[in-house]
Amino acid sequence: KAGVTQTPRYLIKTRGQQVTLSCSPISGHRSVSWYQQTPGQGLQFLFEYFSETQRNKGNFPGRFSGRQFSNSRSEMNVSTLELGDSALYLCASSYQLGLAGVSDGELFFGEGSRLTVL
Amino acid sequence: TQLLEQSPQFLSIQEGENLTVYCNSSSVFSSLQWYRQEPGEGPVLLVTVVTGGEVKKLKRLTFQFGDARKDSSLHITAAQPGDTGLYLCAGDNNAGNMLTFGGGTRLMVKP
Repeated sequence: KAGVTQTPRYLIKTRGQQVTLSCSPISGHRSVSWYQQTPGQGLQFLFEYFSETQRNKGNFPGRFSGRQFSNSRSEMNVSTLELGDSALYLCASSYQLGLAGVSDGELFFGEGSRLTVL
Repeated sequence: TQLLEQSPQFLSIQEGENLTVYCNSSSVFSSLQWYRQEPGEGPVLLVTVVTGGEVKKLKRLTFQFGDARKDSSLHITAAQPGDTGLYLCAGDNNAGNMLTFGGGTRLMVKP
């Protein structure tokens, strides 16, 4: 079956602009998580959506936002881009967010969207 | 804030050598996952360890979870060039899919 699909794969923006990244999870997966990967900070959790609801949020400013649609596809948006937002943005899907917040599903990552802010 | 420290950060070895990567934290995790990431791709899950003291083997890879569930190690026997990549440990603290990742160990195995 098809894996996690992220678009666009590469994009270049300038400071102050905004960007929207898209993630299509594996069919049947209802949980979508977003991570930012940089050489300096490594992989950092942004947020997680399950059934169109944000379940968890990482320690990022309000310029970072996301949403999930009824078909489980997710988008994340970064407004007023800064140079430090240059990163690989990874989306991961899993089949189920377990009861009481316990994750019982393997995370499947997409190939990422590489954002460069000039 | 929970932190996971991985060591070493970089490792360059010859084919056939053995190596160990460490993942340490001062915090307890409910489980710990190991991923491998190749250039241009997302991380791929290798294994999840859940029980303190647990040892799991995946061909030439051996994963161990510390008794106190604060640390883990990955041992590769007779490394091959195909093992080259970025190895990441990630701690799960029963907060959905909000994982805490270590900084990664970049492994290069030369033929």
